[in-house]
Amino acid sequence: DVKVTQSSRYLVKRTGEKVFLECVQDMDHENMFWYRQDPGLGLRLIYFSYDVKMKEKGDIPEGYSVSREKKERFSLILESASTNQTSMYLCASSLGVAGGVGSYNEQFFGPGTRLTVL
Amino acid sequence: EDKVVQSPLSLVVHEGDTVTLNCSYEVTNFRSLLWYKQEKKAPTFLFMLTSSGIEKKSGRLSSILDKKELFSILNITATQTGDSAVYLCAAGTYKYIFGTGTRLKVLA
Repeated sequence: DVKVTQSSRYLVKRTGEKVFLECVQDMDHENMFWYRQDPGLGLRLIYFSYDVKMKEKGDIPEGYSVSREKKERFSLILESASTNQTSMYLCASSLGVAGGVGSYNEQFFGPGTRLTVL
Repeated sequence: EDKVVQSPLSLVVHEGDTVTLNCSYEVTNFRSLLWYKQEKKAPTFLFMLTSSGIEKKSGRLSSILDKKELFSILNITATQTGDSAVYLCAAGTYKYIFGTGTRLKVLA
């Protein structure tokens, strides 16, 4: 079974703090994704990575950055947390195609991190 | 602008009823449509559809895709209380656009 884990289930931070959300997958997947999920807005893609050190902006990248130094780990960074970043953050991974982005495999999700910024 | 629209937004049924959930999509790059079930935590994968007219089945759940009319349906027969969840669909290629989901509540 694919396993995607996220470092925290719940996190409370203060405005202006730097926040790191970690995601690890154990199935050698090439593609990894960070989403946020808000009521009435569904899942929105923040960033996507299709290989180590490769990243692509999603629909709402403002205020976020990402890091993928190892294939299994994809980190989401909030440089200076703000209250409008309070949300559920979901990480996902998919198999991908070696050397390219032409994959349409299903995505497997982690349990989510509920972040509250005060 | 790419979008995925699900209907209805919410649905309340009784155990044993059959439900049909709808998903329409307009995405620039389309290869497949995904269905997920989300209870209190992470979405769990149900189906991936890539070809029109071919029904996928898993127990009481089934789904079909119409690439000409740009929609998909998810059917659940003989509903049970354990089917209560938010059902999400997503359309795209390696990146997907998600709908906001249909919240299904099944009453005993």
